Amino acid sequence: SQTIHQWPATLVQPVGSPLSLECTVEGTSNPNLYWYRQAAGRGLQLLFYSVGIGQISSEVPQNLSASRPQDRQFILSSKKLLLSDSGFYLCAWGGFALTHNEQFFGPGTRLTVL
Amino acid sequence: KNQVEQSPQSLIILEGKNCTLQCNYTVSPFSNLRWYKQDTGRGPVSLTIMTFSENTKSNGRYTATLDADTKQSSLHITASQLSDSASYICVVSAFYSNYQLIWGAGTKLIIKP
Repeated sequence: SQTIHQWPATLVQPVGSPLSLECTVEGTSNPNLYWYRQAAGRGLQLLFYSVGIGQISSEVPQNLSASRPQDRQFILSSKKLLLSDSGFYLCAWGGFALTHNEQFFGPGTRLTVL
Repeated sequence: KNQVEQSPQSLIILEGKNCTLQCNYTVSPFSNLRWYKQDTGRGPVSLTIMTFSENTKSNGRYTATLDADTKQSSLHITASQLSDSASYICVVSAFYSNYQLIWGAGTKLIIKP
């Protein structure tokens, strides 16, 4: 069966510090991978998606970036965090082989920027 | 503009009661609509998914309906339990997009004993 991992679970960072969030998927090959952010009391916002190694598409321009160094690894980064980067970050995987582009979510990372 | 709107924003009901959550969308061309349940501090989990040809779909005590003509969907929860306390999110997929889902803001449901 497939599983998706995210770490860390919670993170408190000062403004201007760098960020690296990691997501890994097990039990599947060549998945589509996604990074979402959820602000408090708001809906999910798609940040990046990837259909393969080294292939990243950005949905929202901002000071975040994403990389996919391996087939089942997806990393979200920032060189300098802003207060507005605080939120709940979710990684998801999905694939064309699944029904209607179903997406499965990881446990999330709660980021607080002070 | 593709949008998904949900109502009510929040809802409190007593354990054992039924409730219905609403979703209106303006996504075109429509591909499918799904309902997710998101527990506090967790990732969303899919409850149901429906294409335009499906009018209703059930998953245990959860029943979703879809009216593709009026672009409305509802999620009915029967005999609510304390574990049903969560946010319920309506998500619509456009036919031309294999990647992007249009997310509603969710309805926060609280079940009280």
